Amino acid sequence: NAGVTQTPKFQVLKTGQSMTLQCAQDMNHEYMSWYRQDPGMGLRLIHYSVGAGITDQGEVPNGYNVSRSTTEDFPLRLLSAAPSQTSVYFCASSYLPSGNTIYFGEGSWLTVV
Amino acid sequence: QKEVEQDPGPLSVPEGAIVSLNCTYSNSAFQYFMWYRQYSRKGPELLMYTYSSGNKEDGRFTAQVDKSSKYISLFIRDSQPSDSATYLCAMRETTQGGSEKLVFGKGTKLTVNP
Repeated sequence: NAGVTQTPKFQVLKTGQSMTLQCAQDMNHEYMSWYRQDPGMGLRLIHYSVGAGITDQGEVPNGYNVSRSTTEDFPLRLLSAAPSQTSVYFCASSYLPSGNTIYFGEGSWLTVV
Repeated sequence: QKEVEQDPGPLSVPEGAIVSLNCTYSNSAFQYFMWYRQYSRKGPELLMYTYSSGNKEDGRFTAQVDKSSKYISLFIRDSQPSDSATYLCAMRETTQGGSEKLVFGKGTKLTVNP
């Protein structure tokens, strides 16, 4: 019973490097999303998807790309990492219409130096 | 004015105390109100949700919504050290276009001391 799985858990990047945060869920949820959590800022929505092949921007999408080729996977790509992208990233999923239960992954701690 | 306001604390209480956590909001279209608990270095997990004004109880936890005042609360009775975590309120509305909007508070960090 894996739920929402995120990898890697910790990553250090140099400015300008690119990388992909992986997210997979095994609950057959239509809705998946990525949040970042920063001290004093709370959880902010980056991108979300309501099903395979459909993605949309959230509150803070700049510098990030997503794709949804399968129901299970929703990777988040950092195109050219910047120190401002140092944060904790959470992937989440739920049924549609989004029930009140949103399941979060364990988080990915990213540091950009 | 932010859509959801939550005092970040930190809040420190002795074991056995009654804890009151609160959020205020400005968007009257919010329909569902949730509380998430987040342990250190973990993802948030749903603790309780309520719809419309009133109280909902689950064990030692009571969620309260006052839509007329745009104010929600989470009460923890007989608090335990294991309740030490950050508590985030969240609110959801369904927009006219059919999409859903979920907004989180910034979270209140609670420590229950043995």
